[in-house]
Amino acid sequence: DTGVSQDPRHKITKRGQNVTFRCDPISEHNRLYWYRQTLGQGPEFLTYFQNEAQLEKSRLLSDRFSAERPKGSFSTLEIQRTEQGDSAMYLCASSRGRTIDYEQYFGPGTRLTVT
Amino acid sequence: KQEVTQIPAALSVPEGENLVLNCSFTDSAIYNLQWFRQDPGKGLTSLLLIQSSQREQTSGRLNASLDKSSGRSTLYIAASQPGDSATYLCANQYSGAGSYQLTFGKGTKLSVIP
Repeated sequence: DTGVSQDPRHKITKRGQNVTFRCDPISEHNRLYWYRQTLGQGPEFLTYFQNEAQLEKSRLLSDRFSAERPKGSFSTLEIQRTEQGDSAMYLCASSRGRTIDYEQYFGPGTRLTVT
Repeated sequence: KQEVTQIPAALSVPEGENLVLNCSFTDSAIYNLQWFRQDPGKGLTSLLLIQSSQREQTSGRLNASLDKSSGRSTLYIAASQPGDSATYLCANQYSGAGSYQLTFGKGTKLSVIP
């Protein structure tokens, strides 16, 4: 069990550029979540995958955001035409999703700064 | 909509003190509640998870309790140490969210003074 990994750990980009983040969940975890955390706030849910299917998206996920999880393994989160308001920590979490075991394990996060 | 509130927002205690962090939530139809620790600029480390059928969980110096009927959870830290300094977040999964996403509070920032 190597834990949830995220790449890159930090990203600085200019407004209007596109960025892509990657998340590798714990192997055998079929559920994968993306959250966003701004300074002084708790994380907020963005989207959820069960295997390769994206089953839920928050209204926080505007049209500029897209997420994929091909083959039900790693996931990517892309932000197009970044805005300064996108600056935040993007956190990925995974869980087994069995009947009583929904404990989520988080990665180290990707900190995005839009200048 | 589930709302989670954590009080106090910040807490400073001398080393060795016992302390309690509070978490309240508006919808009692939850599956479980998790307490996390977050160090500055880092991800979240899960400390304790309490299933809805349980009333408490313990791990080392940490004890978390859950009272679903009143919508409250507490995290008790015994004999605090400077290394406990961090932000503590509580979150729950509730039945109103089909994907079982976590709904978080804003956290309590704990400082343990040597």
